[in-house]
Parts: sequence; C-alpha cells; structure tokens
Amino acid sequence: NAGVTQTPKFRVLKTGQSMTLLCAQDMNHEYMYWYRQDPGMGLRLIHYSVGEGTTAKGEVPDGYNVSRLKKQNFLLGLESAAPSQTSVYFCASSDPRWGNQPQHFGDGTRLSIL
Amino acid sequence: AQTVTQSQPEMSVQEAETVTLSCTYDTSESDYYLFWYKQPPSRQMILVIRQEAYKQQNATENRFSVNFQKAAKSFSLKISDSQLGDAAMYFCAYRWGRDDKIIFGKGTRLHILP
Repeated sequence: NAGVTQTPKFRVLKTGQSMTLLCAQDMNHEYMYWYRQDPGMGLRLIHYSVGEGTTAKGEVPDGYNVSRLKKQNFLLGLESAAPSQTSVYFCASSDPRWGNQPQHFGDGTRLSIL
Repeated sequence: AQTVTQSQPEMSVQEAETVTLSCTYDTSESDYYLFWYKQPPSRQMILVIRQEAYKQQNATENRFSVNFQKAAKSFSLKISDSQLGDAAMYFCAYRWGRDDKIIFGKGTRLHILP
C-alpha cells in the first residue's frame, strides 16, 4: 500500500520557470492538501480539496494553482517560480471519518528556486 | 484568530524516561479538535493523537497521552518510556470543528539520549 506519493522528490528551478508537483494517493480519500514547510514557520496550508473537481485556498495560496481532476491526484502548480517559494512541499490526504484533518503525508518535495 | 504556540523549540530526554511537550492555543470557539503530529527525520509526518474539545477525558495512544486543559487552553503531549524511534519533530495542531483548515505550531524537536 503506497499511501501518499509525491513526485518529484527534489527540483531546482530558475526564477520565472514553471512546474507542477504531483500528489497521488491510493486510499480513496476525499480530502487532499498541499502544505509548505519553512524553517521556523511550521506547516502552512497552500490549497486543499474536499473532493474531485473542487479546490479551495488555504493560508498562503498566492503564486500557486491546484487541480483535482481525479480523486486520487492533486496537482500543485507554480506559474512563475520565485525565490520565496523555495521550501519543502508536503501533500497529505484524509478520510472525513477522521474529522477532516490530514492523516497521511507524503515524503515531501524539496524545491529550490535560484 | 486562532493560534497555536509551542514554546519549546528543542528538548532532550534520556531513553526510557518520560517527557512532556507543551502546546498552548488561542481560540474563541467551543467546537474544535487538537492533534499532535510526529515528523521523523525521514520527513513523512504521522498523526500521533487526537483530542476532541468536547471530551473531558484525555486521549491516549499506547505510550502517548495528552493533558488537555480546556480552560487554560493547554494541550501537552506526554511520551512515556521514551525510545530512540521517538526522536522527531513534534507539531501541535488545531482545527475548528466547522473548518477544513488546520493550524500548526512551529514544532518541538525531540532528542532521545541513549
């Protein structure tokens, strides 16, 4: 059982480039989340989704877009990468029966913007 | 606005001893949930324990237990019989009952001394 899988695990971008981070879960969870983790800041919610075809803004959504075309996948896009977006990105999923909080996290994607 | 504060950036405990990690939060809501997450060096975050605010009984999961003081808005995590595998960053988190968003504290890094 793979759980939550994030690809890629590492990426270096130049300022202005775009890219998409992929999150896949095989637990049939309704809820999926994208967080970023910065030193001394804890986890901050970027966007989340409560079901296929739906997305919502989190705490720090600017500069990011997301899509949930399939229930098992949640994509995070950076339209024009900026150095301030250098961070570790975590995807998570959860089953509403557990109260809609993230249960399972992926291994993270370390993204550096030069 | 709801906030979560972890005042101990780092802690150390001798193996087999007991350690308590502190967390305070601020909210005007009465219906909410509190959580402790563990993030080992491998970075995959794991949900450790969950407490519903309406429950007076403190949650317990094996060696992990909480001391939930609702009036004081305190939610500490006690780890008994500490093991080397408990070494990790621990995050306290809060979720309002009607909201999908979770607020994380900045974390406490726990070191286990052999």
